[in-house]
Amino acid sequence: DTGVSQNPRHKITKRGQNVTFRCDPISEHNRLYWYRQTLGQGPEFLTYFQNEAQLEKSRLLSDRFSAERPKGSFSTLEIQRTEQGDSAMYLCASSRMRGGEETQYFGPGTRLLVL
Amino acid sequence: AQSVTQLDSHVSVSEGTPVLLRCNYSSSYSPSLFWYVQHPNKGLQLLLKYTSAATLVKGINGFEAEFKKSETSFHLTKPSAHMSDAAEYFCVVSPVTEGAQKLVFGQGTRLTINP
Repeated sequence: DTGVSQNPRHKITKRGQNVTFRCDPISEHNRLYWYRQTLGQGPEFLTYFQNEAQLEKSRLLSDRFSAERPKGSFSTLEIQRTEQGDSAMYLCASSRMRGGEETQYFGPGTRLLVL
Repeated sequence: AQSVTQLDSHVSVSEGTPVLLRCNYSSSYSPSLFWYVQHPNKGLQLLLKYTSAATLVKGINGFEAEFKKSETSFHLTKPSAHMSDAAEYFCVVSPVTEGAQKLVFGQGTRLTINP
């Protein structure tokens, strides 16, 4: 399977703990996005990488959140000192520009539950 | 600023009857528009996209959408519903840009198919 993969698929943690999620994009895609989807809502943009550079961050991304893409391939999203409000589905998408157009392909997501 | 309004949070149709999922958008720029589908426990899958070419866009699984600039609408249709179409559907807008393609999602429409 050459789609976007995310691990773990599910994570249950206690409030105050740190968690890290991983995203492996489609191999030839140089763009990578993270989104957050809360129950009953559409996904919301969190952050964007072009190759290894993090070029945009949403105001939704508090100081407790950090994302990296060290070699321009896989990416990690870490949440420190988790809060119950962090419970959500975290989605990763990858893409590349082709002929001035771009289509994002999404992974299955990591569902986080903070107790 | 861009936004999307999906006019129905839930649509229920009988198998074999037409499907109409309504979407209005607001955009300061000439936008790209997408419909994504989300099946339970699966990632978001692209159904179709509009990027300023033909106003009638055909997608996968028999779905199509028509871009109407005068009405700022991008409604999704299918002539005959199938049980496998039951899912959550998202209308999405983004600017046409060389930079980050920050997708803006609607709140979703849950499609139920009755046998």
